[in-house]
Amino acid sequence: NAGVTQTPKFRILKIGQSMTLQCTQDMNHNYMYWYRQDPGMGLKLIYYSVGAGITDKGEVPNGYNVSRSTTEDFPLRLELAAPSQTSVYFCASSPRLAPDVYNEQFFGPGTRLTVL
Amino acid sequence: KQEVTQIPAALSVPEGENLVLNCSFTDSAIYNLQWFRQDPGKGLTSLLLIQSSQREQTSGRLNASLDKSSGRSTLYIAASQPGDSATYLCAVSDRDSGYALNFGKGTSLLVTP
Repeated sequence: NAGVTQTPKFRILKIGQSMTLQCTQDMNHNYMYWYRQDPGMGLKLIYYSVGAGITDKGEVPNGYNVSRSTTEDFPLRLELAAPSQTSVYFCASSPRLAPDVYNEQFFGPGTRLTVL
Repeated sequence: KQEVTQIPAALSVPEGENLVLNCSFTDSAIYNLQWFRQDPGKGLTSLLLIQSSQREQTSGRLNASLDKSSGRSTLYIAASQPGDSATYLCAVSDRDSGYALNFGKGTSLLVTP
């Protein structure tokens, strides 16, 4: 298993440009998450999904959109990039083992984004 | 809103020492707690997961404890090695936001030879 994969690894955007960060997991996990990590800070939740077709906002969703058409993929869309979106973005997934039984989260390697 | 605090923010120890990293959280209604390791410029590696009904978990030289009622967890590293140098992150999940994790800012550990 490749686990959680993210592309691209690095990207530089100009203010106002748009892009999609890709995230794929091959573990058949129900739950998927997008976090961002700013220097010296803990990770903050952007969006999450509890299954294909179901997404919801986290703590810092402004400026982002997501979709989940399949169990495997959870892309994050940035529209009209701003310098405040300069960050490292991590995708994670977690299995639902049984009703009300959830296991650890597994993280991708991250995408380092700079908006100039 | 859940707040997670990690103390100390940075720690430098000589090789071979045993050390303790601390994590506290404000809302005791957590589902589980995870400790991660993050190397510079890298992703997160899960070290230990403690379910809310558990008191501790062990993996090799690592031992994590959980006192849910007091909102505290500790990560104990025995016989530290230079390869343990990294940032250690504590995170708790609850049933809000799809069991997403609330992270502390981390403890940056340097183990000197």
